[in-house]
Amino acid sequence: NAGVMQNPRHLVRRRGQEARLRCSPMKGHSHVYWYRQLPEEGLKFMVYLQKENIIDESGMPKERFSAEFPKEGPSILRIQQVVRGDSAAYFCASSPPWGIVTDTQYFGPGTRLTVL
Amino acid sequence: GENVEQHPSTLSVQEGDSAVIKCTYSDSASNYFPWYKQELGKRPQLIIDIRSNVGEKKDQRIAVTLNKTAKHFSLHITETQPEDSAVYFCAEGGGGADGLTFGKGTHLIIQP
Repeated sequence: NAGVMQNPRHLVRRRGQEARLRCSPMKGHSHVYWYRQLPEEGLKFMVYLQKENIIDESGMPKERFSAEFPKEGPSILRIQQVVRGDSAAYFCASSPPWGIVTDTQYFGPGTRLTVL
Repeated sequence: GENVEQHPSTLSVQEGDSAVIKCTYSDSASNYFPWYKQELGKRPQLIIDIRSNVGEKKDQRIAVTLNKTAKHFSLHITETQPEDSAVYFCAEGGGGADGLTFGKGTHLIIQP
C-alpha cells in the first residue's frame, strides 16, 4: 500500500521563476493538506483540499500561492515568482474520506524548495 | 487563532531513562492531539494520537496523557533507545478533517 507521494523531492528555482509541487494521496484518501516547514521550525498549515474543492486556505499567503486538487491526478501547490523567503520544505498530508476517522494525517516525504 | 506551546525545545536523556515532552494549547474546541517524530531530512511520522474522550493512551514504550481542563497534553517515552533520537512535534486539531496546528518541536537526544 503506497504512502503519500510527493515530487519532486528537491527543487531549485531562481528568483522570479515558478515552482510546482505535486502530491498524490494515499490510496483511498480524499483529503489533502499542504504544510510548510522552515528550517528548525514546526510545520505551518497552508491549505486543505478535497477533490475539485478548496475547503480551507486560511494558511495560504494571499499572493503568488495557489493550490488545486483536480478530479484526476495529483494535488498541485503552485508558487509564482518565487523569492528567497519561499525556500522551505513543503509537506503534503492525506487523510481518509468522511465517515471514517478523518483526523489522522499521513505525511509525504516533502519537497525541499531552494530559491537562488 | 490556535496556538500550541511545546517544551522543552531540547531534551537530553541517558539511554534507558524516560523522556517527557509537554504541550499546551489555547483553543477549547480542539479535540484531536497527535504526536509526530521527524528524523533529519525525513517526513513527520505519526507515533501516537489521542482524542478528547480519553485521558491517556499507551502503545508499548510510548504514552500520551491529556488534561482538557488545563489544556495540556504530554508525550512520555520510557526505556529510551538511541533510535528515539529525533525531533518530536505535538499538534492539535479541531476534529473532522482540519489543518493541524503544530508546536515548534523538541529535539530529543539520547545519550549512550
